[in-house]
Amino acid sequence: KAGVTQTPRYLIKTRGQQVTLSCSPISGHRSVSWYQQTPGQGLQFLFEYFSETQRNKGNFPGRFSGRQFSNSRSEMNVSTLELGDSALYLCASSLEVPGPSTDTQYFGPGTRLTVL
Amino acid sequence: GENVEQHPSTLSVQEGDSAVIKCTYSDSASNYFPWYKQELGKRPQLIIDIRSNVGEKKDQRIAVTLNKTAKHFSLHITETQPEDSAVYFCAGPLGDDKIIFGKGTRLHILP
Repeated sequence: KAGVTQTPRYLIKTRGQQVTLSCSPISGHRSVSWYQQTPGQGLQFLFEYFSETQRNKGNFPGRFSGRQFSNSRSEMNVSTLELGDSALYLCASSLEVPGPSTDTQYFGPGTRLTVL
Repeated sequence: GENVEQHPSTLSVQEGDSAVIKCTYSDSASNYFPWYKQELGKRPQLIIDIRSNVGEKKDQRIAVTLNKTAKHFSLHITETQPEDSAVYFCAGPLGDDKIIFGKGTRLHILP
């Protein structure tokens, strides 16, 4: 079974631009979560989608948005990019919603975004 | 508020010695506690997890202990080897189904 895939793997943008990142979960997984990873802040939760609905959202500004399609593939979008958005963006999939009685999350390789 | 604290942020141990990383959480509803290992340039990968109905789980050289009363859980690595060098993250799912990760522990195994 193929793992979680993310595209593109690397991206360079300039301030003010917008970007769309894509994540394809493991086949059969319906939950997709997005995380931002930076050296100083570790792994920070962005949002989680389950069956095309955003179930949870972290403490990020409205410039960060996402969606999930009927095939469970997910995209996240960042508008009006800022220098501080430079980070590794990871998505993770699991069978159901990550939670107190959760299933394991499996991470993708990440998209490294650099904002100049 | 929602919080998962992880200590230490950096840990250096001699090869063959043991390493212990501790996390504390605030949400009493949490009952699933995974640990992830992230090697340089790679994705986080689950190495062990524990559910609240047990106090300890072991998998070869790796073990996790959970103290629900004190709200902390620890990762124990025995007989450390060079390939154990990585960043380790604990995570605490919360009652509203979010997952909060600790800030990570950078483990260095010294020759």
